[in-house]
Amino acid sequence: AQSVTQPDIHITVSEGASLELRCNYSYGATPYLFWYVQSPGQGLQLLLKYFSGDTLVQGIKGFEAEFKRSQSSFNLRKPSVHWSDAAEYFCAVGAFSGTYKYIFGTGTRLKVLA
Amino acid sequence: ETGVTQSPTHLIKTRGQQVTLRCSSQSGHNTVSWYQQALGQGPQFIFQYYREEENGRGNFPPRFSGLQFPNYSSELNVNALELDDSALYLCASSLTSGVTDTQYFGPGTRLTVL
Repeated sequence: AQSVTQPDIHITVSEGASLELRCNYSYGATPYLFWYVQSPGQGLQLLLKYFSGDTLVQGIKGFEAEFKRSQSSFNLRKPSVHWSDAAEYFCAVGAFSGTYKYIFGTGTRLKVLA
Repeated sequence: ETGVTQSPTHLIKTRGQQVTLRCSSQSGHNTVSWYQQALGQGPQFIFQYYREEENGRGNFPPRFSGLQFPNYSSELNVNALELDDSALYLCASSLTSGVTDTQYFGPGTRLTVL
């Protein structure tokens, strides 16, 4: 069965520090992978997506993610975090198994210390 | 260009009642997906509508139903409300129904079932 795991429920980093949010997926075929950000009271905003090709994907707001098939991972990174990055981050996989389905992880809440 | 809008913002219902939530898609988008996001969880895929037809469904019972109208706006109907239906309901529109298409999310409707 398809699934997405985000092992870190909360992460706290200092402003200016680097960030890595982990995501592992389970899916039999080539996955379509996404990272979304959700700020309080807001809907989800797409940061980046991976379908094929270069395994390092660049997104908005200075984020990037690397697809590693051997590790079934799609970790999100940012070299220098800004206070405005404090939010909840969701990894998702798009799957087709007779019907279209999108599966989200449980999210990682990021806190940024000034 | 207006984004995805949802109404109402908040709603309180009692167990056993029925509720209708509404979503206006982004201009030019013919596909809408609905998600349920319980507190502290990631969004769970309810179903997707493409050109007024249900195009995919997650693991939700039949008392969750939907409609998509010719102008591609959409409704989510939930019958016989249960306490566990309390959640943030998100709709997302996309240009087409492809799993690779970017979904644009609305801010959600917060439903509380007492």
